[in-house]
Amino acid sequence: EAGVTQSPTHLIKTRGQQATLRCSPISGHTSVYWYQQALGLGLQFLLWYDEGEERNRGNFPPRFSGRQFPNYSSELNVNALELEDSALYLCASSFSISFTRFTDTQYFGPGTRLTVL
Amino acid sequence: DQQVKQNSPSLSVQEGRISILNCDYTNSMFDYFLWYKKYPAEGPTFLISISSIKDKNEDGRFTVFLNKSAKHLSLHIVPSQPGDSAVYFCAASGEIQGAQKLVFGQGTRLTINP
Repeated sequence: EAGVTQSPTHLIKTRGQQATLRCSPISGHTSVYWYQQALGLGLQFLLWYDEGEERNRGNFPPRFSGRQFPNYSSELNVNALELEDSALYLCASSFSISFTRFTDTQYFGPGTRLTVL
Repeated sequence: DQQVKQNSPSLSVQEGRISILNCDYTNSMFDYFLWYKKYPAEGPTFLISISSIKDKNEDGRFTVFLNKSAKHLSLHIVPSQPGDSAVYFCAASGEIQGAQKLVFGQGTRLTINP
């Protein structure tokens, strides 16, 4: 069974540009989560999508947005890139048993390394 | 405001001995706790979780202990194996100010020495 896949593996952008990161969940999973791991920091929760809807959002500015498609894949968009957006962006997926709580086991992809110059 | 803290950035343990990774949290509203393991160039892998209604959960070589009064949880790995060398993240979730939150610690790098 294929795991969570993310593309691209690496992405280099300049300040002010927009970045689009993609995630395909494990087959059968309806929830997709996005995380940011900046250098030296732990994972920070960004967004949670389930059945095409945004379920929860972390403490990030509105220029971080995303969406989930009918096939449950997801995009993370980061607008007006800043240098501090350079980080590893991780996507995870899960079955949706708890619709509001973070108690479902999440399976992570390998991440997209975003570098903002 | 670091609500979940892993105060040891790194830990080195002899193979076969017990590894104890610690995690402290500040908000008593957290009621579900998780541990993840991360190898380089891979995404985190779920290890074990515990609800606040329990004080211990065991899965094979991994045991998580929760001390609610101290707002402290620990992960015990017995016996430690070389393949356990990785970065370990604890995470806490719960309803904070009317919304479900999930907060990770900064991670502890565990090295198992042969």
